[in-house]
Amino acid sequence: GQQLNQSPQSMFIQEGEDVSMNCTSSSIFNTWLWYKQDPGEGPVLLIALYKAGELTSNGRLTAQFGITRKDSFLNISASIPSDVGIYFCAATLSGSARQLTFGSGTQLTVLP
Amino acid sequence: GAVVSQHPSWVICKSGTSVKIECRSLDFQATTMFWYRQFPKKSLMLMATSNEGSKATYEQGVEKDKFLINHASLTLSTLTVTSAHPEDSSFYICSAPAGGPLNYGYTFGSGTRLTVV
Repeated sequence: GQQLNQSPQSMFIQEGEDVSMNCTSSSIFNTWLWYKQDPGEGPVLLIALYKAGELTSNGRLTAQFGITRKDSFLNISASIPSDVGIYFCAATLSGSARQLTFGSGTQLTVLP
Repeated sequence: GAVVSQHPSWVICKSGTSVKIECRSLDFQATTMFWYRQFPKKSLMLMATSNEGSKATYEQGVEKDKFLINHASLTLSTLTVTSAHPEDSSFYICSAPAGGPLNYGYTFGSGTRLTVV
């Protein structure tokens, strides 16, 4: 099925550094979601974005819904070891229980 | 918040046997449940969409007779891997819209690691 273009594929950063990852699509969506997945677990929702141009924060996380509705980014500030995991963007056309389209994931490693 | 309980978390079965995976919405009604398969270090691939009281919709390339989906109630959807073979070994995850009029914020189960030996 269709996938979102997520980058980077992996990141190795020092504890305390900021992180940025993004997703792009050739299609328009009207809901963007960011999830984190720990090994052996299901994805957990971090941030949900519902309007083009919307900028939303959740603690050290900030995400934006691109104005064209074809992209989104996630920033993590002052990374800590527990930020390690795989981050997925996902998007959907809202209004009904429609399936999510997922990005390929960003594997984040935080070095102490 | 909305919780989807998935069981078992892991299962090892012999080749040729069938395995049932259950997903229950604990504090909301899930009229729709999505079933995903995930390979190591890969993204989630949608297998099928189950709807309460009707037949599931399968994605292209997913064998409906191999992966039986039943959504008999508003809180329970099951995936049965029939006549499992080693190539069916994978991580299976369910997800449901978390409720509310606009069905935002899909909630995921904790996943089931299936190993077929």
